Amino acid sequence: DSGVTQTPKHLITATGQRVTLRCSPRSGDLSVYWYQQSLDQGLQFLIQYYNGEERAKGNILERFSAQQFPDLHSELNLSSLELGDSALYFCASSPSVNEQFFGPGTRLTVL
Amino acid sequence: LAKTTQPISMDSYEGQEVNITCSHNNIATNDYITWYQQFPSQGPRFIIQGYKTKVTNEVASLFIPADRKSSTLSLPRVSLSDTAVYYCLVGEPDQTGANNLFFGTGTRLTVIP
Repeated sequence: DSGVTQTPKHLITATGQRVTLRCSPRSGDLSVYWYQQSLDQGLQFLIQYYNGEERAKGNILERFSAQQFPDLHSELNLSSLELGDSALYFCASSPSVNEQFFGPGTRLTVL
Repeated sequence: LAKTTQPISMDSYEGQEVNITCSHNNIATNDYITWYQQFPSQGPRFIIQGYKTKVTNEVASLFIPADRKSSTLSLPRVSLSDTAVYYCLVGEPDQTGANNLFFGTGTRLTVIP
């Protein structure tokens, strides 16, 4: 158990819909990262937040957005969902530059 | 343009040393190299991180040549429980503003009894 929690564990929805994925980082970690893992694209970095502020963006689509709240939990919002958005979405938190602790992931299925 | 590439798969017998290489020709000056292990349906788990030369911890060693365009994860005396997918991650995991982080394509290691 990494100490990072993600909800829900599974999510099934239809094309065109909007969903919100939630992440609670380890106690004390100020940085939160979001990643997408799909069979054809592998693990891709989406976005990083540090203490409530966006710090870095990776391959995040404009249909996707994220935020980090004052209690440091983070949400990833995915809208106008397409079949290709089906993937595992991981959140990670970090106490330092050395390592990231990954949550168990949310498996999103878009039908 | 892919920033990191790895062999797709490797097989090894129990007790052998395994070396997995990651190529990162476009590595930036401030980039670190980090290796993660991932089991099915789980999030990646940190193994080791380095910037240059050699780093060793209780589970692995990481070798980085002077030009830093590749790195090699070395797992000593693997066991069946080391069967997993191994990823290299190149980027600057700086809390004040990470550079874009690039995971490698992953290497599926199968340890054979």
